[in-house]
Amino acid sequence: QLTQSPASLSASVGETVTIFCQASQSISTYLTWYQQTPGQAPRLLVHSASTLQAGVPSRFSGGGSGTHFSLTISNLRPEDFATYYCQHSSRPLLFGRGTKLDIK
Amino acid sequence: QVRLVQSGGGVVQPGTSLTLSCEASGYSFSDFALDWIRQTPDKGLEWVAEISYDGSNSYYADSVKGRFTVSRDSSKNTMYLRMNSPRVDDTAVYFCARGRVAHGDYFDFWGQGSLVVVSS
Repeated sequence: QLTQSPASLSASVGETVTIFCQASQSISTYLTWYQQTPGQAPRLLVHSASTLQAGVPSRFSGGGSGTHFSLTISNLRPEDFATYYCQHSSRPLLFGRGTKLDIK
Repeated sequence: QVRLVQSGGGVVQPGTSLTLSCEASGYSFSDFALDWIRQTPDKGLEWVAEISYDGSNSYYADSVKGRFTVSRDSSKNTMYLRMNSPRVDDTAVYFCARGRVAHGDYFDFWGQGSLVVVSS
């Protein structure tokens, strides 16, 4: 089971935010982060807990191992306001319930 | 560039059947696993099924095991999801996605999504 926090978050352009994902048992670094905007498919941001997917801006960074993980977005841009999901990338392939980031 | 284009979907009655398709382009089709993931407002994102790069292995979520079948046709660069005996709670947006299985199992490219509504 993956628990994301907070469920929602308000921030301003230029701020830095951190989203958390906690696993119910150790999953090493088998953790993936996605971004989803309304009406679109999820977009891969980070895999293996901290490896940035090609083409993803460096203001995104992932960290953690075991049971606690984080996704930090620095210097927020307007296009970053979206819902973020974590995923356990080992079977069972579970997703977190998401963190909605909106503009303050 | 990698593209996954979905077709199928729509309204289906419980107990009938429906097939979703996912046509891939822009990469070597036979080198990658492919998956189906669905999304509802209530349950969020739920992994449904995966088929290995060569079609020799398939895996299913318990919620669809025995009712859904994933397959692929390398001559058409297309993956399919056959949904038999769909239930009302199978109503969702279904996404196909390319699976990366080197370190864990995650999804680097996604289709646009297909809405499936199971209703009498």
